[in-house]
Amino acid sequence: SQQGEEDPQALSIQEGENATMNCSYKTSINNLQWYRQNSGRGLVHLILIRSNEREKHSGRLRVTLDTSKKSSSLLITASRAADTASYFCATGDNTNAGKSTFGDGTTLTVKP
Amino acid sequence: DTEVTQTPKHLVMGMTNKKSLKCEQHMGHRAMYWYKQKAKKPPELMFVYSYEKLSINESVPSRFSPECPNSSLLNLHLHALQPEDSALYLCASSPGTGTRGETQYFGPGTRLLVL
Repeated sequence: SQQGEEDPQALSIQEGENATMNCSYKTSINNLQWYRQNSGRGLVHLILIRSNEREKHSGRLRVTLDTSKKSSSLLITASRAADTASYFCATGDNTNAGKSTFGDGTTLTVKP
Repeated sequence: DTEVTQTPKHLVMGMTNKKSLKCEQHMGHRAMYWYKQKAKKPPELMFVYSYEKLSINESVPSRFSPECPNSSLLNLHLHALQPEDSALYLCASSPGTGTRGETQYFGPGTRLLVL
């Protein structure tokens, strides 16, 4: 089964509002990343947070990581219609074989 | 060049056909990946190449055959596919060995339809 589970599955907000999506995972990780995917396109890397970090910012994005709860959240502030996309968390395995495993994703719709 | 390119963008093939998907990157990355993605689902890892050697094969059926001719190129050879193999096939690359969850750079994908 997938390492990461995300909620909500779908989120619809008005332009200018904030969007928060959550990711939970099951095993020990080296890092956690968030990716965005516009419909039918490739994934774009947004931000990486390491297991020893608790919060990270990049522009309008804020990511938190709670390793004790095995969860992460992605906050997009002041959303824009162009933020409409699917957002996936990906956990980096804490072993030398370590691959990234993607969560189920949250589909965000930002209405103008 | 910070792009991963994939060809073709779209492919329609019959179950008896043989075709190949191609992926290219010129970022000097040493790990390259193939993913399969069905509609409204996350990408599923198929193969990882690290320094041109196959390092991960996620129990993919033999009708999918990966090839890494050099550090910039990755192919996926397709033969005797099934309709359920229809999906978006994504290629990605990362700078290091492909371990410990490196940041990956994705191509736009090849949309495959098997009839």
